[in-house]
Amino acid sequence: GAVVSQHPSWVICKSGTSVKIECRSLDFQATTMFWYRQFPKQSLMLMATSNEGSKATYEQGVEKDKFLINHASLTLSTLTVTSAHPEDSSFYICSTEGAKSQETQYFGPGTRLLVL
Amino acid sequence: GQNIDQPTEMTATEGAIVQINCTYQTSGFNGLFWYQQHAGEAPTFLSYNVLDGLEEKGRFSSFLSRSKGYSYLLLKELQMKDSASYLCALPGTGTASKLTFGTGTRLQVTL
Repeated sequence: GAVVSQHPSWVICKSGTSVKIECRSLDFQATTMFWYRQFPKQSLMLMATSNEGSKATYEQGVEKDKFLINHASLTLSTLTVTSAHPEDSSFYICSTEGAKSQETQYFGPGTRLLVL
Repeated sequence: GQNIDQPTEMTATEGAIVQINCTYQTSGFNGLFWYQQHAGEAPTFLSYNVLDGLEEKGRFSSFLSRSKGYSYLLLKELQMKDSASYLCALPGTGTASKLTFGTGTRLQVTL
């Protein structure tokens, strides 16, 4: 069964609103989670590393004030897209470090965001 | 830094064999992943190679040559459901699970 869940699976919102995406690890505690973004017909691009109990680490070019990440517990990380614009429409995917080894990194099912 | 290169698209016939290549450059090698991703879904793990050679897993095999910075994914007995994107990825040298993905190869399996 799935070990990482995301909610919502898809969301449509108006430009200027904020959207929160949740990523939960179901079977184990995840001190670190990763947030990726994927535009149509492109590959996944890492946005940020979410660390439980501390600030997230953002990749170059990703606005930390626009993409707020909170990792308040060992099973939940949230990504909030603030003041969303149509160019933020994308597929957002979280993943966790493997519980046992690098081979077992788990990806969430993804959240499709459409900003009108 | 890390750089990964894959063909953008490939087409193959059901029942055939297809090889998807990946070349990479990295300052520190920490293994190489292959993932399968169907449209609108998250990637699913296929293989992880850290040593040179071929690893076989059912219909899918993955090969690595560290000296050449080269890997390939071999898919045998192609099925229609194998139509998907295949992503080559390198883990970071610091935080191992931080992945850099290639652009992916979109494979179309035809009758």
